[in-house]
Amino acid sequence: EMRLVASGGSLVQPGGSLRLSCTASGFTFSSFAMAWVRQAPGKGLEWVSGISGSGGSTYYGDSVRGRFSVSRDNSRNTLYLEMDNLRAEDTAVYYCAKTNVKVIPTYLDFWGQGTLVTVSS
Amino acid sequence: EVVMTQSPATLSASPGERVTLSCRASQSFSNNLAWYQQKPGQAPRLLIYGASTRATGIPARFSGSGSGTEFTLTISSLQSEDFALYYCQQYNNWWTFGQGTKVEIK
Repeated sequence: EMRLVASGGSLVQPGGSLRLSCTASGFTFSSFAMAWVRQAPGKGLEWVSGISGSGGSTYYGDSVRGRFSVSRDNSRNTLYLEMDNLRAEDTAVYYCAKTNVKVIPTYLDFWGQGTLVTVSS
Repeated sequence: EVVMTQSPATLSASPGERVTLSCRASQSFSNNLAWYQQKPGQAPRLLIYGASTRATGIPARFSGSGSGTEFTLTISSLQSEDFALYYCQQYNNWWTFGQGTKVEIK
C-alpha cells in the first residue's frame, strides 16, 4: 500500500524558517518525480515545488522561488522542503504528492495527508 | 502562466443527476489536463488524467473530455459520496490549478 506521510508543520514567526519532510513507502521512491502543493485555509490548490526522481532537477512556483528549496534523499525515501523568510501568506496545509514518471511536469497520482504551516507573530 | 478557470463555482444537484463541470484554459494545449476530487479534511484524489483517462479505481460514472482550451468533467449519476470539491489542473506548462467547483446537495 502506498503511503506519503508529511511532517514538520508548525507555528512560526514571519521571517522564520521551517523544514518539512515527507516519508514515502509502498513504491520505488527514486523512480518518480515528487511535488509539494499547498492549500491556504478555505482556498484552492497552489503548486509550490517539484523535483525529478534523481533529485537533479528542481522547480519552483513564482511565489516561493528564492525562499524555498526542495530536495530528496532516495536512500531514506524522503522528500524535503526547506522554507526560509516565511510570510503570512505562506500559511497553508502543505501536501506532498507523487507523479507517475521520473520527470515533470505531469499529473499527481497520489497525495499524502498534508501538514499545516502557520506563519504568525 | 496558464490560467485555469472553472465554472460554476458551486453546483447544486440531487443524487442520481447528471452533472457537468467546466474548466477553461487561457492558452491552448492538447490533453495535459487532470481532474482531482477533494473532500473536507482530506487530500485531493486523482480522478482523470490526459483529459479523459480514468485513474485506477475511479468509477465509470466519472468521465472527462475536451482539448484546446475547453475541458469538462461529467458525473453521469451523482452518488452521495460524490458531493465534494473538484479541481482541474494543467500540466502542459508547469502546473496550475483551477479555483475549484463545489458540488453540493440540492
